[in-house]
Amino acid sequence: DQQVKQNSPSLSVQEGRISILNCDYTNSMFDYFLWYKKYPAEGPTFLISISSIKDKNEDGRFTVFLNKSAKHLSLHIVPSQPGDSAVYFCAARGNAGNMLTFGGGTRLMVKP
Amino acid sequence: GAVVSQHPSWVICKSGTSVKIECRSLDFQATTMFWYRQFPKQSLMLMATSNEGSKATYEQGVEKDKFLINHASLTLSTLTVTSAHPEDSSFYICSAAHTSGGRGYTFGSGTRLTVV
Repeated sequence: DQQVKQNSPSLSVQEGRISILNCDYTNSMFDYFLWYKKYPAEGPTFLISISSIKDKNEDGRFTVFLNKSAKHLSLHIVPSQPGDSAVYFCAARGNAGNMLTFGGGTRLMVKP
Repeated sequence: GAVVSQHPSWVICKSGTSVKIECRSLDFQATTMFWYRQFPKQSLMLMATSNEGSKATYEQGVEKDKFLINHASLTLSTLTVTSAHPEDSSFYICSAAHTSGGRGYTFGSGTRLTVV
């Protein structure tokens, strides 16, 4: 049972445009959501997070939106840069512990 | 910032041998560390949660006798893949939790294990 899903395995965007990465979850007990960026053969690096009590969090070019009623969150990157090309994972934390559940990842390609 | 050092970054071993992967928190104490496994083009799958001074908690389907986890100190957790087989070849990543919130999860750089 996949509790966190990223339905788009890949996304291609032109440099300067907006990248929108989506994530859906099924467990209503998740209380914290995070986005990570990952390059091949490296560990994930933290990008941005959002608490379940909020609906938006912004940090520079990155904004995460949370729609609790739809159990959906999205990561917006604007403007997109070629250096943003990587695999992006959304993750959710249950309030029963510290463990994270990861989505399957979306490969973002930003074309110059 | 919080740094997690994972070593080795890659290892090739023969079938039947054991491999130890170390995960160290360099500038903070990690009471809880997590071990993940990633297959090519797939997500990170949690294998086990490692708590300092106690037995690790393994996820369903993960053989605890094959993947030995030791968290003897607040800065070091080790994962030993025992009697490795080619199907154990994968990318293993550790993570340490040190505070609540997003920046409280710091990942190691991962270990690429190839069993031949």
